[in-house]
Amino acid sequence: AQRVTQPEKLLSVFKGAPVELKCNYSYSGSPELFWYVQYSRQRLQLLLRHISRESIKGFTADLNKGETSFHLKKPFAQEEDSAMYYCALRGTGFQKLVFGTGTRLLVSP
Amino acid sequence: GAGVSQSPSNKVTEKGKDVELRCDPISGHTALYWYRQSLGQGLEFLIYFQGNSAPDKSGLPSDRFSAERTGGSVSTLTIQRTQQEDSAVYLCASSSQNQETQYFGPGTRLLVL
Repeated sequence: AQRVTQPEKLLSVFKGAPVELKCNYSYSGSPELFWYVQYSRQRLQLLLRHISRESIKGFTADLNKGETSFHLKKPFAQEEDSAMYYCALRGTGFQKLVFGTGTRLLVSP
Repeated sequence: GAGVSQSPSNKVTEKGKDVELRCDPISGHTALYWYRQSLGQGLEFLIYFQGNSAPDKSGLPSDRFSAERTGGSVSTLTIQRTQQEDSAVYLCASSSQNQETQYFGPGTRLLVL
């Protein structure tokens, strides 16, 4: 079975504070992991994927196969980072994405 | 270029009625996906199209749900005899041949009274 768990529904931080949005997954094979973001009144969009190993808008995420985690991190949060963040998994040979329930990040001034 | 578009943006219907939701993928994208986002739930996969065929229909919740895609482009998701639990935001996504990134539409918000 493929499952993605995001334990926090809401994460509230102050501007400039570090942020870590947690994502754990369950999958027996080698998954592809993604983070999608939805800003207010905008459509869901890809933020980053583990294959690219890139940093987007200051966010990074490292796939930890031992802990089956793919946490999203940013050292200094900005108010414009406030959004809904979804972690997603795609299993080998599958095309569909399996999403977590999402974490709302609120960055206060 | 234009992104994925969906219509209608909002739909209110009465329990028992049929509804059709439309998705226009990005031009040239061969893969098309339908997802559903219910209150308090994450996004749930419904169905995946590659061209006009649907190799993965595993997420359709019941036989009241069906979808088709014609001409390798527009897709329609049909819900028959709607129930209140069908109320959700229905999202469509498309991706290109390499199918790495899925691009999402704005969604159709369905409310069944």
